[in-house]
Amino acid sequence: AQSVAQPEDQVNVAEGNPLTVKCTYSVSGNPYLFWYVQYPNRGLQFLLKYITGDNLVKGSYGFEAEFNKSQTSFHLKKPSALVSDSALYFCAVRDTSFQKLVFGTGTRLLVSP
Amino acid sequence: GAVVSQHPSWVICKSGTSVKIECRSLDFQATTMFWYRQFPKQSLMLMATSNEGSKATYEQGVEKDKFLINHASLTLSTLTVTSAHPEDSSFYICSASMGSSYNSPLHFGNGTRLTVT
Repeated sequence: AQSVAQPEDQVNVAEGNPLTVKCTYSVSGNPYLFWYVQYPNRGLQFLLKYITGDNLVKGSYGFEAEFNKSQTSFHLKKPSALVSDSALYFCAVRDTSFQKLVFGTGTRLLVSP
Repeated sequence: GAVVSQHPSWVICKSGTSVKIECRSLDFQATTMFWYRQFPKQSLMLMATSNEGSKATYEQGVEKDKFLINHASLTLSTLTVTSAHPEDSSFYICSASMGSSYNSPLHFGNGTRLTVT
């Protein structure tokens, strides 16, 4: 069965600094990977996805993610963090056999002014 | 595009009553919708997959008689929490996919916070 791990409960970064939110996955077959962001008391917003092609995927709000097959990772990155980026971030995986998404436990990003 | 509307955004009900939550895809047709439950400071737990015109597929451990799911049209799915109890208090989120392909992202409603007193 597919699974996703987000090893950090929280990531703290100063505004203007680069940020990385880590994600590793386990899936049989080709992985289809997604990142979502959740603001308090809201649903999830889609940020980006990796299906195939370039390992560096660019998404919404200046975020990007790097797919690394050998390390089975899909880390979320942003060159310069904003205070407004503070939220809960979820990595998710979907394999070719199932339509459903399996989510990681989430990482809370806190960007300080 | 790809807007999913969920209603109500919050609801408080008394123990023993039933609550219905609606999930609508406003600008696309969704043959499949998903219902998730999120506990405080925890990830999303998939409860069931809702397919238009057929019975929902429930995840292991989810009581189908307690969490009734109906997907009557390509734009509407409902979740009814029957005979609600305080332990059912949670944040419920629906989602839908624009396409049937596995690489289509899910689009989420804003969630419903249910509080059972």
